[in-house]
Amino acid sequence: DIQMTQSPSTLSASVGDRVTITCRASQSISTWLAWYQQKPGKAPKFLIYKASNLESGVPSRFSGSGSGTEFTLTISSLQPDDFATYYCQQYNDYFLTFGQGTKVEIK
Amino acid sequence: QPLLQESGPGLVRPSETLSLTCTVSSDSITSRLYYWGWIRQPPGKGLEWIGTIYHTGTSNYNPSLKNRITISVDTSTNQFSLRLNFVTAADTAVYYCARHTRADADSPFDLWGRGTLVTVSS
Repeated sequence: DIQMTQSPSTLSASVGDRVTITCRASQSISTWLAWYQQKPGKAPKFLIYKASNLESGVPSRFSGSGSGTEFTLTISSLQPDDFATYYCQQYNDYFLTFGQGTKVEIK
Repeated sequence: QPLLQESGPGLVRPSETLSLTCTVSSDSITSRLYYWGWIRQPPGKGLEWIGTIYHTGTSNYNPSLKNRITISVDTSTNQFSLRLNFVTAADTAVYYCARHTRADADSPFDLWGRGTLVTVSS
């Protein structure tokens, strides 16, 4: 199986900050990577697919980049609604795997 | 009414079978457009993909759970279901059903149910 490792596990930031989360795959997954946002007690929300494509309705302050084994999710100016946990997910093969999550908390 | 909704017992005894159903309101499950999947999340932990099914019955399972899982589809009721045998406390989790973005098992999930907590305890 392809292991997905996110860093950091927790990130403290303030409203307006630029925030970057990294996701690394244990082998190349081309650009077959998605990002999700999850708030406590809620289902994950689909943000980005194919590493850099924003899902419809997702604010443009979110962006994704990367290919191969290293990927990033960037929030250009953190908003109060963005404090949440973020997960990456690879779909390079049928055994789908997620990163362990990065919690973005208020500094 | 949520577009995908999980239902089933919230408490299951150890060694018994966990059974959940996902009722789909977003689409006809026989649509050729999507695969459908189950994901779980133990309390305070991350997401784990369980398995995925197409309306034809074609399915893919997480190898770590494969010996205990059955995912099935009922096109007459627009539902798909999960059965997990021989459960232990490690199977305690919020279980989500979700829609893949396309008719491909290796694709992300764009629509999720609200999730249902299943606790394994005697």
